[in-house]
Amino acid sequence: AQSVSQHNHHVILSEAASLELGCNYSYGGTVNLFWYVQYPGQHLQLLLKYFSGDPLVKGIKGFEAEFIKSKFSFNLRKPSVQWSDTAEYFCAVNARTGRRALTFGSGTRLQVQP
Amino acid sequence: KAGVTQTPRYLIKTRGQQVTLSCSPISGHRSVSWYQQTPGQGLQFLFEYFSETQRNKGNFPGRFSGRQFSNSRSEMNVSTLELGDSALYLCASSLESAPGTEAFFGQGTRLTVV
Repeated sequence: AQSVSQHNHHVILSEAASLELGCNYSYGGTVNLFWYVQYPGQHLQLLLKYFSGDPLVKGIKGFEAEFIKSKFSFNLRKPSVQWSDTAEYFCAVNARTGRRALTFGSGTRLQVQP
Repeated sequence: KAGVTQTPRYLIKTRGQQVTLSCSPISGHRSVSWYQQTPGQGLQFLFEYFSETQRNKGNFPGRFSGRQFSNSRSEMNVSTLELGDSALYLCASSLESAPGTEAFFGQGTRLTVV
């Protein structure tokens, strides 16, 4: 069975600070990896995704993530956060073949202070 | 184009009652998945429908059921409601039932069981 771990449950940063949110997954096969964001009162939105190719993927709003296969990790990064990045961030994975249901991590609540 | 629409947005039901939630996917999307989001358990997969057929099912009791219509709209039903069923129920639609396809989420239906 797949599982996703997000080790940071609540992160507080000041504006312009750099961000790195950890995500590790457990699965025996090939996976697709996603980061979703949920702004207060809004629906889940896709930030970025990795299917294949370059392990460094760039998403919307200046976010990027690096897939490190040997570490089963897909960490999210942003060089300089803004107050508007305050949200909850979810890492998710699904199998490359077969069942396409997403398995989500528990989420990281990011609070950016002005 | 219009996003994923879920109705109603809020529901309050009494223990033992049943409830039906509705999801209209993005036009042209044939895959609809349902997730339950709670503070304690996070986001958990309920089931997925593709072309009116249930393709995958999560680890939920038989009180949770769903269906998909020929226009891809989907409903989920919860019978004999329990207090623990209080949650945000999210619907996601995607173009194809393939693992790499991006899922677009609705704003959810917040169900409160009293």
